Amino acid sequence: DTAVSQTPKYLVTQMGNDKSIKCEQNLGHDTMYWYKQDSKKFLKIMFSYNNKELIINETVPNRFSPKSPDKAHLNLHINSLELGDSAVYFCASSPRLAGGPKTQYFGPGTRLLVL
Amino acid sequence: AQTVTQSQPEMSVQEAETVTLSCTYDTSESDYYLFWYKQPPSRQMILVIRQEAYKQQNATENRFSVNFQKAAKSFSLKISDSQLGDAAMYFCAYRIVNTGSNQFYFGTGTSLTVIP
Repeated sequence: DTAVSQTPKYLVTQMGNDKSIKCEQNLGHDTMYWYKQDSKKFLKIMFSYNNKELIINETVPNRFSPKSPDKAHLNLHINSLELGDSAVYFCASSPRLAGGPKTQYFGPGTRLLVL
Repeated sequence: AQTVTQSQPEMSVQEAETVTLSCTYDTSESDYYLFWYKQPPSRQMILVIRQEAYKQQNATENRFSVNFQKAAKSFSLKISDSQLGDAAMYFCAYRIVNTGSNQFYFGTGTSLTVIP
């Protein structure tokens, strides 16, 4: 029954590795997002996908790449992990209702620790 | 530039008392939505309340209510009868309506402690 789910919940890895975080939503939403929350709890949007099309890409290193196999999934792949990538990553989704608030629904977060 | 400012990094309230968290935002748009999200220690982001900018009436959700002052670009959250479970990080956010972007703008958060 979980609306937005992320796996894994925790991820500990070495510098230089490549890792992926998966996100799935069962709400039928058209738009999905990835956020990074650093140690100071500042929330920064990284990407959003609308019907498989990237519509936002903030100043994120190209080591980060979102991959959306279908409308219900938006996975985050990270190459050559760096210490500064340690953070909590949140997936979110929102409906594409015209004129609506497009309230975002968040996943539980993935805590990434790069050693 | 679109910005959201939460000027109180930390707040505390006695259990059963009332607390108000402040939020101001900067936008030249006239049509937008405002949100308060709660992030408990579990780190999950939970929608608390939302407000449509075109509505003059302040939104309420049980013990949570907002004071929306559009001219002042202020959107404060009032928590009445505070409970221990209200202890969390609270984020203010807004989203512009008339844009192809679905971007949300978040504040830096206010950490709320509830004292038993």
